[in-house]
Amino acid sequence: DGGITQSPKYLFRKEGQNVTLSCEQNLNHDAMYWYRQDPGQGLRLIYYSQIVNDFQKGDIAEGYSVSREKKESFPLTVTSAQKNPTAFYLCASKGQMNTEAFFGQGTRLTVV
Amino acid sequence: AQKVTQAQTEISVVEKEDVTLDCVYETRDTTYYLFWYKQPPSGELVFLIRRNSFDEQNEISGRYSWNFQKSTSSFNFTITASQVVDSAVYFCALSGLNAGNMLTFGGGTRLMVKP
Repeated sequence: DGGITQSPKYLFRKEGQNVTLSCEQNLNHDAMYWYRQDPGQGLRLIYYSQIVNDFQKGDIAEGYSVSREKKESFPLTVTSAQKNPTAFYLCASKGQMNTEAFFGQGTRLTVV
Repeated sequence: AQKVTQAQTEISVVEKEDVTLDCVYETRDTTYYLFWYKQPPSGELVFLIRRNSFDEQNEISGRYSWNFQKSTSSFNFTITASQVVDSAVYFCALSGLNAGNMLTFGGGTRLMVKP
């Protein structure tokens, strides 16, 4: 079945460690996105990519990094520079402008 | 720059009441697309509707209806005869032509439907 898969569902990280969240899609979508959601808050854009080997910063890119080496994959690395990384992370992909985005099930990251 | 505002952070209604969720947007683009998503407790976003800037027709789908008004830059969502299963967080989103394919979300409205 076509869709978008995030892994892992739950992730625990020690302070000072980098951690990478996986996002894979088989929808043949060009655009992919990473959003962060804090409790009771909306979705804030971290990074997005419109095409392979290209990506742009969103509103809260500091402390995060991404890569887009393949169309299907858009991993997000939460670096030790991110001061408050505990949050729910959602990945999405989108086709043409006039189409809706499809979302993964999310990864809940907790710093311990 | 594009922006979406959902002024209602939380709404509580009793089952069978009608409820309207407000969405106001800002964009410099003349061509843009508006979306509504539902986020149940599981966390995954579920797509509800898409509307482009050239189509101001209102739409009804079962108990759901949407009112798009370019004159007031609003895209409001009404649930008629609400049910407990409608309890969720609802997000409005915008994608403008000149913003590439960037998708901007509002802060969301948490709807609680009580039996």
